[in-house]
Amino acid sequence: EIVLTQSPTTMAASPGEKVSITCRASSSVGYVYWYQQKSGASPKPWIYETSKLVSGVPDRFSGSGSGTSFSFTISSMETEDAATYYCHQWSGTPWTFGGGTKLELK
Amino acid sequence: EVQLVESGGGLVQSGRSLKLTCVASGFTFDNYWMTWIRQAPGKGLEWVASITFSGGNTFYADSVRGRFTISRDNAKSTLYLQMNSLRSEDTATYYCTFVYGGSYFDYWGQGVMVTVSS
Repeated sequence: EIVLTQSPTTMAASPGEKVSITCRASSSVGYVYWYQQKSGASPKPWIYETSKLVSGVPDRFSGSGSGTSFSFTISSMETEDAATYYCHQWSGTPWTFGGGTKLELK
Repeated sequence: EVQLVESGGGLVQSGRSLKLTCVASGFTFDNYWMTWIRQAPGKGLEWVASITFSGGNTFYADSVRGRFTISRDNAKSTLYLQMNSLRSEDTATYYCTFVYGGSYFDYWGQGVMVTVSS
């Protein structure tokens, strides 16, 4: 099983601040995917194939990485970005998710 | 408009069974693999099971293999998850989802809560 480890698990950012989240895989994967989930809601796809933004996602979001190390960045935090973000891989079965990073507004 | 509506959740005793249902609309159901993903209270997401277009092939997480059965009725555009021998660790919100236009889970149901009491 490919284990995805996200860091940090929780963080707070002020409006305008840059946010960076890391997702590390226990074995090499082709791509990672990122999902946003707000409290009480279903997850939403956010970034796919490591760096591509899902339609409608603001361009302040970006993703990068390869192999076992991936990152998720918000160039300038906005209020609406407060949520939990999960990385996901399906290069290997079982398909797995990271433990999540809860991003709060400072 | 694509919609996935889950139902069938509830409170059940450990060792008992429950069957979840996901009714799909707004797309050609039998053109897509379908998947169940769950989320324990306050925890992350866990893939549970997937099924191919016709239902001929199914895939399970180790944690549920042998206890859960995913199935589908394409005539009714409905996905099922039969859950037997339930355990407290199966307590979670269960989501029905699928990959529609790209390489990610585009659409998700609202989720259905399953609580297993010991």
